[in-house]
Amino acid sequence: EPEVTQTPSHQVTQMGQEVILRCVPISNHLYFYWYRQILGQKVEFLVSFYNNEISEKSEIFDDQFSVERPDGSNFTLKIRSTKLEDSAMYFCASIREGREKLFFGSGTQLSVL
Amino acid sequence: GENVEQHPSTLSVQEGDSAVIKCTYSDSASNYFPWYKQELGKGPQLIIDIRSNVGEKKDQRIAVTLNKTAKHFSLHITETQPEDSAVYFCAASNPSGTYKYIFGTGTRLKVLA
Repeated sequence: EPEVTQTPSHQVTQMGQEVILRCVPISNHLYFYWYRQILGQKVEFLVSFYNNEISEKSEIFDDQFSVERPDGSNFTLKIRSTKLEDSAMYFCASIREGREKLFFGSGTQLSVL
Repeated sequence: GENVEQHPSTLSVQEGDSAVIKCTYSDSASNYFPWYKQELGKGPQLIIDIRSNVGEKKDQRIAVTLNKTAKHFSLHITETQPEDSAVYFCAASNPSGTYKYIFGTGTRLKVLA
């Protein structure tokens, strides 16, 4: 069964450093998302991406965040200068056009020290 | 703004008993309501969903009911088993074009053997 894959599974970084989280969405999906989950809290929407541009973003997704689809398969989330409060599990997700079912990857646990 | 509330936050049941988790949503334009199961260290997995033109849907031991007038929807698990132990999230989505999901705060279900 096709799945969303994310790498790395864990990322430890120093405050102020840049990190890039990588995702390969399901191949015939056209809508892509990043969500995050702070430990013990709910899953929060960060950004949606369609047709090579951001279609919607939340208040969390400030100027320190950016997304990119550099080729036909990868979808990345970059945090330019990480803060302690960026520590969370980051989930990539995708949806096939014309469908509503959101498929999640297994996440990247980001720890900012 | 858009919000989904979920109750209870924790739920313990004896194996074989039923479990019910309830959600309310604020955006009256929401028309799709999925439920996700999240096991430790994994991404959320879709277990059942319902659309606003349907009042109830059942899949083996799992059922979901929707009261669109009251903006309530519930997950019912019958004959619970230890492997049902996980965190369950409800979500609501509206047909705005981005398929953004708003998640509830989650329910940690423990099925006691």
